[in-house]
Amino acid sequence: EVQLVESGGGLVQPGGSLRLSCAASGFTFSTYDMHWVRQATGKGLEWVSAIGSAGDTYYSGSVKGRFTISRENAKKSLYLQMNSLRAGDTAVYYCARGIPIDYWGQGTLVTVSS
Amino acid sequence: QSVLTQPPSASGTPGQRVTISCSGSRSNIGSNIVNWYQQVPGTAPKFLIYSNNQRPSGVPDRFSGSKSGTSASLAISGLQSEDEADYYCAAWDDSLNGWVFGGGTKLTVL
Repeated sequence: EVQLVESGGGLVQPGGSLRLSCAASGFTFSTYDMHWVRQATGKGLEWVSAIGSAGDTYYSGSVKGRFTISRENAKKSLYLQMNSLRAGDTAVYYCARGIPIDYWGQGTLVTVSS
Repeated sequence: QSVLTQPPSASGTPGQRVTISCSGSRSNIGSNIVNWYQQVPGTAPKFLIYSNNQRPSGVPDRFSGSKSGTSASLAISGLQSEDEADYYCAAWDDSLNGWVFGGGTKLTVL
C-alpha cells in the first residue's frame, strides 16, 4: 500500500525557516517524480515544487529562490526547505507522488505568523 | 487567480448528470494532458481522471473526462450524495515550466 507521511509543519515567524519531510513507503521511491502541493485554508490547490527521479527540480514562481526541494532515495524521503517564509505561505503542505500525481499524503500545516 | 479557470460552484440532484469545465491556454491544456482530482473538505485530494479521459482503478465509470482545444470537462452521471466535494483540474504549463491547477469547483448534491 502506497503511503506518504508528511512531518515538520508548525508555527514560524515571518522571515523564518522550516524544513518539511515526507516519508514514503509501499512503492519504489527512487523511480518516481515527487511533488509538494499546498492549500491555504478555504482555498484551492497550488503546486509548489517537484523533483524528478534523476534529481531535476522545478518550482512555482511564488517560491523560487526561497524553497528548495530535495530527496534521499536511500531513506525513501522527500524534503522541502522553506526559507524567508511569508504570511502567504501559510497552508497545508501535501507530499504527492508521480506524473500524473496519483497519491497524496495527509498534509502538514505550516503557519507563518508573528 | 488560477491559471486554469473553473466555475466556483456546480449543483445537481441525485441521478442527474453534471459537467464541470476547465479553461486554459495553448501553453497548458492546449499542449498537455489534463488530470482531475476530487477532494472532500478536510481530506487529501483523490486521483479521479488522468490523460484527459482515463479512470484510475477503482474510480466508477460514472466519472468521465474530455478535452477539446484549450478546454477540458469532467462529467459525473448518476449523481450520488457522496459525490459532493471539490473538484480540481490540473495540467503541465510549458511557459511556466510547472504544474497548474484550476481554482476548484464545489459540487453540491441537492
